[in-house]
Amino acid sequence: DGGITQSPKYLFRKEGQNVTLSCEQNLNHDAMYWYRQDPGQGLRLIYYSQIVNDFQKGDIAEGYSVSREKKESFPLTVTSAQKNPTAFYLCASMQSGRASEQFFGPGTRLTVL
Amino acid sequence: GQQLNQSPQSMFIQEGEDVSMNCTSSSIFNTWLWYKQDPGEGPVLLIALYKAGELTSNGRLTAQFGITRKDSFLNISASIPSDVGIYFCAGLSNSGGGADGLTFGKGTHLIIQP
Repeated sequence: DGGITQSPKYLFRKEGQNVTLSCEQNLNHDAMYWYRQDPGQGLRLIYYSQIVNDFQKGDIAEGYSVSREKKESFPLTVTSAQKNPTAFYLCASMQSGRASEQFFGPGTRLTVL
Repeated sequence: GQQLNQSPQSMFIQEGEDVSMNCTSSSIFNTWLWYKQDPGEGPVLLIALYKAGELTSNGRLTAQFGITRKDSFLNISASIPSDVGIYFCAGLSNSGGGADGLTFGKGTHLIIQP
C-alpha cells in the first residue's frame, strides 16, 4: 500500500536533548513537508523540500533542522534550541504540479519532560 | 504571513442536523481545501476547490470557493456520529508553484450529541 509513515507515534525526550522524527513516503512524491500542530491551532509549516538535497525554511523553522538525502525520506530534528518543542508533528508529501493533493502521515506526538 | 479566519471554533449539534462552517482571509487564494482530522491522526483531504464560484460535493459534504477568492464554506448535511472531528480549511496561493505549503485555519471542532 502506498502512503506516508511517521515514527514513532509517541516520543518523549528530556529537556536539552535533540530528537529526530522519521517520515517516509512510497508515493514517489517530489515535495515533502513538516508541520507543527498545537492544541486549538492550525498547522504551521516548519520546513519543506521540493527535490532531493534541497529544502526551504517555513514559517517556524527556528530550532529545527531537516535533511533530504533520499526522495522517500525527510527526517526532522528537533534541537535543544527549540524553546517549546512539545507538539504534534505532521509530515506531508505532494507530487509536483498537483498542489492540492497533499497527503499527510499519521503524526508524531512529541513530549518534552 | 497569510492568515485564515475559520469559524466557528466549535459546534455542538444534534445528530441529523446540518452543519455549516467557513473560512475568510484578507488574501486571495487560488485553491481552497477542506480537511478532516480525527484525534491523534493526520488530516484527510475531503474536498478541493480550484475556481472562484466553484461548488463541489462529496457525499453529504458540499463546499464552495467564494467569488472574491477570499473565502470558502463547508456544509455537512444530516450529520452522523462519525462526522465528529476537527475540520480545517486550507488555502494555497500558488506562489512558487504551490510547493511552499498550505495556509491553515485553526479548525472547527465538531461535536455531535446523540
